Amino acid sequence: GQNIDQPTEMTATEGAIVQINCTYQTSGFNGLFWYQQHAGEAPTFLSYNVLDGLEEKGRFSSFLSRSKGYSYLLLKELQMKDSASYLCAVTPPSGGSYIPTFGRGTSLIVHP
Amino acid sequence: GAVVSQHPSWVICKSGTSVKIECRSLDFQATTMFWYRQFPKQSLMLMATSNEGSKATYEQGVEKDKFLINHASLTLSTLTVTSAHPEDSSFYICSARDSGGSRYEQYFGPGTRLTVT
Repeated sequence: GQNIDQPTEMTATEGAIVQINCTYQTSGFNGLFWYQQHAGEAPTFLSYNVLDGLEEKGRFSSFLSRSKGYSYLLLKELQMKDSASYLCAVTPPSGGSYIPTFGRGTSLIVHP
Repeated sequence: GAVVSQHPSWVICKSGTSVKIECRSLDFQATTMFWYRQFPKQSLMLMATSNEGSKATYEQGVEKDKFLINHASLTLSTLTVTSAHPEDSSFYICSARDSGGSRYEQYFGPGTRLTVT
């Protein structure tokens, strides 16, 4: 089975940096997604990590440690529009369907 | 590119009636589409995998006779909630995988909010 854990809610100040953690225990693992979801909307893709290390995409970076079952999403220079839910999702081993299992999401509130 | 649409965006129906939700890939072909359900403040739960030209694969605990899935073309999958009950009220989201693209990436539709009264 899959168990994915991430904080329920976080708050941060506009312009600051925030790190959203995700830990997972799975029977098999290929990669980890991060999605952003605004209220009432569909998730949008942020990143997909397969290898250990940090991947940077503009203001957003994602880190993965396969040995520790741990990932984080780092958001820099926070903007009000970054207020959203951030979903961590893991995919099964390679050769499978790549269908992700989602965590409950972390609701990020950015205030002025 | 890679746009997925859903129709309707919201629907209210009476208990006992059926509701059909459409999911379309607008600018790519999707052999595989997925249907998710999301309750407030909960995670996306995969209901079924829809495969063009064949039967859908349902996740454990999802009633295939209640949630009918048809994937008759490479750009359209439909989910019909039959004999809807108030507990079926939820946010239903589809996603589609580009047949000619990455094996892991999927593109989500905007979702359909179903309220059963």
